[in-house]
Amino acid sequence: QITLKESGPTLVKPTQTLTLTCTFSGFSLSTSGVGVGWIRQPPGKALEWLALIYWNDDKRYSPSLKSRLTITKDTSKNQVVLTMTNMDPVDTATYYCALANDYGDPFDYWGQGTLVTVSS
Amino acid sequence: SYVLTQPPSVSVAPGQTARITCGGNNIGSKSVHWYQQKPGQAPVLVVYDDSDRPSGIPERFSGSNSGNTATLTISRVEAGDEADYYCQVWDSSSDHLCVFGTGTKVTVL
Repeated sequence: QITLKESGPTLVKPTQTLTLTCTFSGFSLSTSGVGVGWIRQPPGKALEWLALIYWNDDKRYSPSLKSRLTITKDTSKNQVVLTMTNMDPVDTATYYCALANDYGDPFDYWGQGTLVTVSS
Repeated sequence: SYVLTQPPSVSVAPGQTARITCGGNNIGSKSVHWYQQKPGQAPVLVVYDDSDRPSGIPERFSGSNSGNTATLTISRVEAGDEADYYCQVWDSSSDHLCVFGTGTKVTVL
């Protein structure tokens, strides 16, 4: 059974750095082709892809947020970590992590999401 | 960057057919994936690679893709199909980046 779960702070202050962890089970990020991505959704708005890391440490970032994002993986812990610097109230959103089984594949398993609010 | 455009809303009576479009430049050359999202829930994949269905997704959900438009079709619409729907592609022309559509709210009348 494949599961993913996001964890991290629910409230961050403007200018702070957000660190989110995706802890997963039922698959391995050392398996060829596998990737874990991050997607966010501001309240009442559309999905926005942020970043993705593949089994071979290949990393992709949203061009509009690339300068603020870092994605890493810890294969031994079954975790993927996303950091986003210089948080702003417009970054308030539910953040999801999700599994893609190969390049070009859809995200066929998603975490439940975690709401992050940016406010002073 | 690649843009996917969806109509903000589609309304359909129970038992009828809903069609949700996803427009993008030469989208017919890409594989399109579709997600359903109900309020307070994570998205669920309903169609992948233009027209394939994951296990457990009813046959009422189907997809097509040609030219500049991909379409998700929901036949014999049920009240439980009321949700937001998003298309998604991987843009290989720009370093293999993920793009989501703008989303469509399907309302069952």
